[in-house]
Amino acid sequence: SAVISQKPSRDICQRGTSLTIQCQVDSQVTMMFWYRQQPGQSLTLIATANQGSEATYESGFVIDKFPISRPNLTFSTLTVSNMSPEDSSIYLCSVEEWTGDGDTEAFFGQGTRLTVV
Amino acid sequence: AQSVTQPDIHITVSEGASLELRCNYSYGATPYLFWYVQSPGQGLQLLLKYFSGDTLVQGIKGFEAEFKRSQSSFNLRKPSVHWSDAAEYFCAATGTSYDKVIFGPGTSLSVIP
Repeated sequence: SAVISQKPSRDICQRGTSLTIQCQVDSQVTMMFWYRQQPGQSLTLIATANQGSEATYESGFVIDKFPISRPNLTFSTLTVSNMSPEDSSIYLCSVEEWTGDGDTEAFFGQGTRLTVV
Repeated sequence: AQSVTQPDIHITVSEGASLELRCNYSYGATPYLFWYVQSPGQGLQLLLKYFSGDTLVQGIKGFEAEFKRSQSSFNLRKPSVHWSDAAEYFCAATGTSYDKVIFGPGTSLSVIP
């Protein structure tokens, strides 16, 4: 199973600044996903990041606000730009891998807990 | 549109009692279905998944779920709840392999002694 490391695990940031979250996977994966979990809410997909191409954003999310990099098959970054208190959330990185018995499974990082003040 | 719903926002059960958490999905075809648990301050842990075959799926920690196509449901059950089961439970679905996962709103489980 994939092991995902996210940095930082938590941060408190001033409004108007930007934070870059890193996601490192211990194996090569084709697709990486970034999710947001607002306080008391479920997970919402921000974008899908493929290596070598631009990320695909879900409705309500734009590249200017959440630029994503995917320089290789084991690493991705998500930047939360020009932050406001409404961006306070947990941001999670996820990958999907074949499990060896004919299906795939999604693995999640521990998340980055962001508080914007 | 694809969606996953969990009708119960919050459930409280007594320790030792049985548990059933409801999940319904709306997809063009039968999706792959999952149940995740998120304990306070912890990451997501996969409890079980359904791709095809036997509609009763066994998972970790004594959980099971039953897929019912006619009801578009994938309810999670446990015969005897432990205090450590108190957590947030998410039902999720994906259309195909390597597809985005759509999460339900979650059900918060409290366990009373």
